[in-house]
Amino acid sequence: EVQLVESGGGLVQPGRSLKLSCAASGFTFSNYYMAWVRQAPKKGLEWVATISTSGSRTYYPDSVKGRFTISRDNAKSSLYLQMNSLKSEDTATYYCARHAGSYDWFAYWGQGTLVTVSS
Amino acid sequence: EIVLTQSPTTMAASPGEKVTITCRASSSVSYMHWYQQKPGASPKPWIYDTSKLASGVPNRFSGSGSGTSYSLTISSMETEDTATYYCQQWSSNSPITFGAGTKLELK
Repeated sequence: EVQLVESGGGLVQPGRSLKLSCAASGFTFSNYYMAWVRQAPKKGLEWVATISTSGSRTYYPDSVKGRFTISRDNAKSSLYLQMNSLKSEDTATYYCARHAGSYDWFAYWGQGTLVTVSS
Repeated sequence: EIVLTQSPTTMAASPGEKVTITCRASSSVSYMHWYQQKPGASPKPWIYDTSKLASGVPNRFSGSGSGTSYSLTISSMETEDTATYYCQQWSSNSPITFGAGTKLELK
């Protein structure tokens, strides 16, 4: 059974940093592109980042480019999201997701971890 | 960036009623994918590659479309179908984007 378990969320002040983690199991982690998708309270879904199988390629929307960094450790079957210079508009539930193949749709989702950016 | 516009934003359907949700893309895309999300839960893949049902999805659901116009259809509404549905695309020339969602309620 595929499982994605996020951790690392919490309350953080504007301008500070936070690192999210996602522990994956039930599949060969190194074979799949992985991603982060977020959802602000009562709002829709927003793609945040995608990383290739080896980690050599990363993709971001303009809203987080230069502030967020996605990374992975295939030996630990773990995905990470380093978030710097956080803003109030980054407040959201962050989901770890596994792409179906490469840069395409999201076949599996974690339960999410809430990040609140507030002073 | 390819913008996805879903319609309607909210709708209510009676049990047994046919439901159609539309997703229009600002530029042509090769495929559209759909997710179902219920309150307090993570999104679930629902329809992928425009018309393929994800595992466990009832066959009263179907997907169709091409180019800039796609749709999700429920042939006969059931209580358990109440949820918010999101469309999503990716293309080599655009970041991944989602539609704003369609909230489907029971009438």
